[in-house]
Amino acid sequence: AQKVTQAQTEISVVEKEDVTLDCVYETRDTTYYLFWYKQPPSGELVFLIRRNSFDEQNEISGRYSWNFQKSTSSFNFTITASQVVDSAVYFCALSEAGYTGTASKLTFGTGTRLQVTL
Amino acid sequence: DSGVTQTPKHLITATGQRVTLRCSPRSGDLSVYWYQQSLDQGLQFLIQYYNGEERAKGNILERFSAQQFPDLHSELNLSSLELGDSALYFCASSPWAATETQYFGPGTRLLVL
Repeated sequence: AQKVTQAQTEISVVEKEDVTLDCVYETRDTTYYLFWYKQPPSGELVFLIRRNSFDEQNEISGRYSWNFQKSTSSFNFTITASQVVDSAVYFCALSEAGYTGTASKLTFGTGTRLQVTL
Repeated sequence: DSGVTQTPKHLITATGQRVTLRCSPRSGDLSVYWYQQSLDQGLQFLIQYYNGEERAKGNILERFSAQQFPDLHSELNLSSLELGDSALYFCASSPWAATETQYFGPGTRLLVL
């Protein structure tokens, strides 16, 4: 069975600090997808990134970067120079590919609440 | 704005009642997923429909049911409501069934009193 672990329940940083959110996953599939979603205080779930298991290249998007390491089953998310608007709960999620046309439910971690203060 | 719409935004009802939550997927998306977010269970997958057919079931109670209509909108029906059903219910959609990115609606916050 697939599982996602986000060991950090809550992180508090001061604005402009860098922060890394950890995500460790378990799956028996060789083909799978990893995601990060952001849930701001307003409650919606905002898609941030999707990565497939064959692409271990790190990705950078503005102040956001993601480090995918299959060897440690980790998909960590770093925010550089954090801002107050980054305050939210961040969820890591896993989807197994299965066979073509089969379901692709997301298995979520428990989330990390990030609080950025001035 | 993800393009997925959900109504209503908030719902307050009493134990034993039945409610219907509605979801319209993004234009062109054939697959609809329902998730429940509660304090004790976190975010859990309930059920998926693809082009009108049920495709997968997760931890969905027998008191809950869903369907997807020909116009691709979906409804989640919750009956014999209990206090523990209070949660945020999300709908998500994706282009088709296999591992496309799921875009989430704003959610329906259900409070059972």
